[in-house]
Amino acid sequence: KNEVEQSPQNLTAQEGEFITINCSYSVGISALHWLQQHPGGGIVSLFMLSSGKKKHGRLIATINIQEKHSSLHITASHPRDSAVYICAVRSIIFDKLIFGTGTRLQVFP
Amino acid sequence: NAGVTQTPKFQVLKTGQSMTLQCAQDMNHEYMSWYRQDPGMGLRLIHYSVGAGITDQGEVPNGYNVSRSTTEDFPLRLLSAAPSQTSVYFCASSYMGRRRNTEAFFGQGTRLTVV
Repeated sequence: KNEVEQSPQNLTAQEGEFITINCSYSVGISALHWLQQHPGGGIVSLFMLSSGKKKHGRLIATINIQEKHSSLHITASHPRDSAVYICAVRSIIFDKLIFGTGTRLQVFP
Repeated sequence: NAGVTQTPKFQVLKTGQSMTLQCAQDMNHEYMSWYRQDPGMGLRLIHYSVGAGITDQGEVPNGYNVSRSTTEDFPLRLLSAAPSQTSVYFCASSYMGRRRNTEAFFGQGTRLTVV
């Protein structure tokens, strides 16, 4: 079992829909990162969370430390949101990033 | 402020050839790392460094070599390329210690094909 599990693996949506991507982890962490990777592109950091909730534009990230779970929400989705979204946790013990396999999101007009 | 600069963006190698992927950051980050990204798998750590002169192996180090002679640069060397090393490679950097829970920065990636 992977230490970081994301769901769903693939997601399609119509423009305007509300999107939720989930991340569960099994290790002790000091922080959780949400990253975005466009096709053929580099990786960009969206959020870094250690507790609670963060919002940036149409993106909202939440984390529940007790349940070892985080969600990334996209409100009013747009085709330009189409990308792979990656959850990564920083392990307390090893102080390294452990990555999920990513969620591929396609938003159609 | 350029962030993390990674070159080249694309490379095709023949089996047995060697090459170096370059990575440089201008943010004075202590921690630098190399990952490979393969279909259906999360990014896997190849090698990492916590400062100049200090390197260590990650999850998948075989066939790769690194050095960290300066804080800014962290090149990855493929010693004798094999088809199994066909992948997309990412360099990343971040702070350590009290500032470790801050944003990690990634290079643009190198798509390497070994034929």
